Amino acid sequence: QSALTQPASVSGSPGQSITISCTGTSSDIGAFDYVSWYQQHPGTAPQLIIYDVSNRPSGVSYRFSGSKSGNTASLTVSGLQPGDGADYHCCSYTSGGTYVFGTGTKVTVL
Amino acid sequence: QVQLQQWGAGLLKPSETLSLTCAFYGTSFSDYNWSWIRQSPGKGQEWVGEIHDRGGTKYNPSLKSRVTISLDTSKNQVSMKLTSVTAADTAVYYCARHGEGGWYFDSWGQGTLVTVSS
Repeated sequence: QSALTQPASVSGSPGQSITISCTGTSSDIGAFDYVSWYQQHPGTAPQLIIYDVSNRPSGVSYRFSGSKSGNTASLTVSGLQPGDGADYHCCSYTSGGTYVFGTGTKVTVL
Repeated sequence: QVQLQQWGAGLLKPSETLSLTCAFYGTSFSDYNWSWIRQSPGKGQEWVGEIHDRGGTKYNPSLKSRVTISLDTSKNQVSMKLTSVTAADTAVYYCARHGEGGWYFDSWGQGTLVTVSS
């Protein structure tokens, strides 16, 4: 099972919007609406920010939104804030009953 | 509030067995699945495997022959063993609880750095 493909880095200025893509196959992202996204600051554990493609857990800012089209999922962060600088990881359930993560994206707030 | 606290040996020699335990507080084991996930230095995350509340397991095919995940319901603990480790198993290992929907991870342990070196 190959890792999902994410851009290595994305950057934006405060207040701008950025979008992170996560590309898989018809056996994972394309097969189920079970894509999740995690935010990870250096030295800390990942934190769930989006589940089931576009749902936000309680307490997560509305500025985070998710979507999916075909084999590609996307995470959009609107109104970028300095605290949004972190690593972001996508994850998908697969047809094999396993989970596959993305390669990870480092977001830099300029 | 759900808390997952994990521990285990942080330095191993090649061919030894990695053993980690994760205790969970503020949540019951029932109705939830529990996974182990690892992150190699400078790389993305890799799902290791999961155990269901009734004891069924599923493993990453690339690790299946070496990994065992177990659940101690009396202690509210989940454990993982990985045999015959090599330098490629060097990573931060996390335990995580699946969300109620099942297909995502809503609570994570603090992570344990495991280094394999001779």
